[in-house]
Amino acid sequence: QSVLTQPPSASETPGQRVTISCSGSSSNIGSNTVNWYQQLPGTAPKLLIHRNNQRPSGVPDRFSGSKSGTLASLAISGLQSEDEADYYCAAWDDSLNGYVFGTGTKVTVL
Amino acid sequence: EVQLLESGGGLVQPGGSLRLSCAASGFTFSSYALSWVRQAPGKGLEWVSSISVSGGTTYYADSVKGRFTISRDNSKNTLYLQMNSLRAEDTAIYYCAKGTVTAVYYGVDVWGQGTTVTVSS
Repeated sequence: QSVLTQPPSASETPGQRVTISCSGSSSNIGSNTVNWYQQLPGTAPKLLIHRNNQRPSGVPDRFSGSKSGTLASLAISGLQSEDEADYYCAAWDDSLNGYVFGTGTKVTVL
Repeated sequence: EVQLLESGGGLVQPGGSLRLSCAASGFTFSSYALSWVRQAPGKGLEWVSSISVSGGTTYYADSVKGRFTISRDNSKNTLYLQMNSLRAEDTAIYYCAKGTVTAVYYGVDVWGQGTTVTVSS
């Protein structure tokens, strides 16, 4: 059972903005950096955001991350059909002494 | 280009063992923490284990502690996962992943394509 909670699904029309939340606790999000991953159907996950809000080279600036206290968020603006995927947050947990993933959010472009 | 190539997956009976390997290239292998992450069919991502750059410190999820052993050979640029006492609930795609930096606490960035482990009689 994951310690990071995400909404199971999110949807929006092309061109709009969608935001995904990731709720944790003081032992994970509250004290460590958050990463976000995108997993397209049938493929391995890909790093989207690291250290809360940093985009790796090649990731469009439509994707942005933020963190406040024990809550992290991923925003996708200018939604495109190719953004349909599962999205996961993740952070190190000091109590579990391990890396924990969120429950995952399936984004659908209507 | 950073590449991670897993191998060693397959079908194994409950109680059996498997050893996964992950051959790395395109980066200074000995400078990064490494991890294994798995994904059961139709389920989300589950962290399995991580290892420090030297191999001297290892971390395990409670679900595999005492049954799985992570190790690395920096001379061969290869990561391993020895899996013993396998259970049906260990059935999953196992991904090898490179740490974002030296320390394990900052998570992973590049992932391999995965190798499938099926535990069934």
